[in-house]
Amino acid sequence: GQQLNQSPQSMFIQEGEDVSMNCTSSSIFNTWLWYKQDPGEGPVLLIALYKAGELTSNGRLTAQFGITRKDSFLNISASIPSDVGIYFCAGSLIQGAQKLVFGQGTRLTINP
Amino acid sequence: DTAVSQTPKYLVTQMGNDKSIKCEQNLGHDTMYWYKQDSKKFLKIMFSYNNKELIINETVPNRFSPKSPDKAHLNLHINSLELGDSAVYFCASSPLGGPRWDTIYFGEGSWLTVV
Repeated sequence: GQQLNQSPQSMFIQEGEDVSMNCTSSSIFNTWLWYKQDPGEGPVLLIALYKAGELTSNGRLTAQFGITRKDSFLNISASIPSDVGIYFCAGSLIQGAQKLVFGQGTRLTINP
Repeated sequence: DTAVSQTPKYLVTQMGNDKSIKCEQNLGHDTMYWYKQDSKKFLKIMFSYNNKELIINETVPNRFSPKSPDKAHLNLHINSLELGDSAVYFCASSPLGGPRWDTIYFGEGSWLTVV
């Protein structure tokens, strides 16, 4: 089935560093979403992108919808300990059933 | 108040048993989903319902039967549980129609362990 390629799979950084992760696909997507999942919890929506080229910020988080509609990135600036978790990209295909396709996740670990 | 709530959060049961997970959303959304997250954290859709009508069934074994008594509730019943059914099951919801239909909100998950 359709999959998103999310990278990196894991990151180990120092507190205060900036973080960047991205998702790519061979298909065109209508929407890109970024979620964060804490241990023992469900994914929580961070940023939603609906237009090609759209750049959206949510506090220290910034995400962009790629011009080709086949990719998106998420940046986190000045990381803090509570940023630890798994980050998922998700997208809805421009033609297809009403469902989201998820990336494999990026596990972020922060050393204080 | 929790927007999407599901119960139970943890469930340990023996192979062959039948179990149900309940889900309720108070967001006024028309669409509800069940997603499965495997041990590698990969999230995959199982079912979606619009206003109690089944829209998506992603080739899930027929031992899994969703039921939507109304648009605010979507329950998942699993018959004859197998070891491979062990996973985290997430209920979710989203509004119907318009540009935001695919902005999905998840519940906290139900951790199912089959022994």
